[in-house]
Amino acid sequence: QSVLTQPPSASATPGQRVTISCSGSSSNIGSNYVYWYQQVPGAAPKLLIYTNNQRPSGVPDRFSGSRSGTSASLAISGLRSEDEADYYCAAWDDSLRGPVFGGGTKLTVL
Amino acid sequence: EVQLVESGGGLVQPGGSLRLSCAASGFTFTAHYIDWVRQAPGKGLEWVGRIGNKVNNYHADFAASVKGRFTFSRDDSTNSVYLQLKSLKTEDTALYYCTREGHRDGPDFDYWGQGTLVTVSS
Repeated sequence: QSVLTQPPSASATPGQRVTISCSGSSSNIGSNYVYWYQQVPGAAPKLLIYTNNQRPSGVPDRFSGSRSGTSASLAISGLRSEDEADYYCAAWDDSLRGPVFGGGTKLTVL
Repeated sequence: EVQLVESGGGLVQPGGSLRLSCAASGFTFTAHYIDWVRQAPGKGLEWVGRIGNKVNNYHADFAASVKGRFTFSRDDSTNSVYLQLKSLKTEDTALYYCTREGHRDGPDFDYWGQGTLVTVSS
């Protein structure tokens, strides 16, 4: 059971917009930055969003992150087939004194 | 180019030990903490622990699930980090990733290796 809660799956067609949620608590998302990672099948995870809503260089602006209270979300617009991957949210947890991850959301591009 | 290369994984019996290595290149190794994150087959990501640098006296932190069984060492002369796994359990079976921790606040794992597989089975 992951500390951060994500829907196990999401799907959309090419060109559409999809949102993936991440729910936590006051000890993690409520008081610390949220990060998002993308893991394409067979590859290592890749940093997608840092400090709630910032993109590393090279990440398309189709990807955006937001945080409100104890929840966060990742939005992907103009969906493309190569966006099919697992997405994980992460945040520091003050109670556990370490980083925690969501269980991951498998995104299918129909 | 930043590179992290893990090695040392393999098959080990429950209760056994293993030492994983992470060789880093392409960046100022001494400026960064190194974290390990694992992924059990078909499952999600789990933070294992991290080792700091000389500035914080190489302080190490561990997840509760591995504390007391796993230890870190670090060799700045060879840009390497070692993760010693002891008293291994079947639930430690996973792909172990070495990651570079960036300088932003939180789980800022900006570079990852390809992982090394640890299988704990009799």
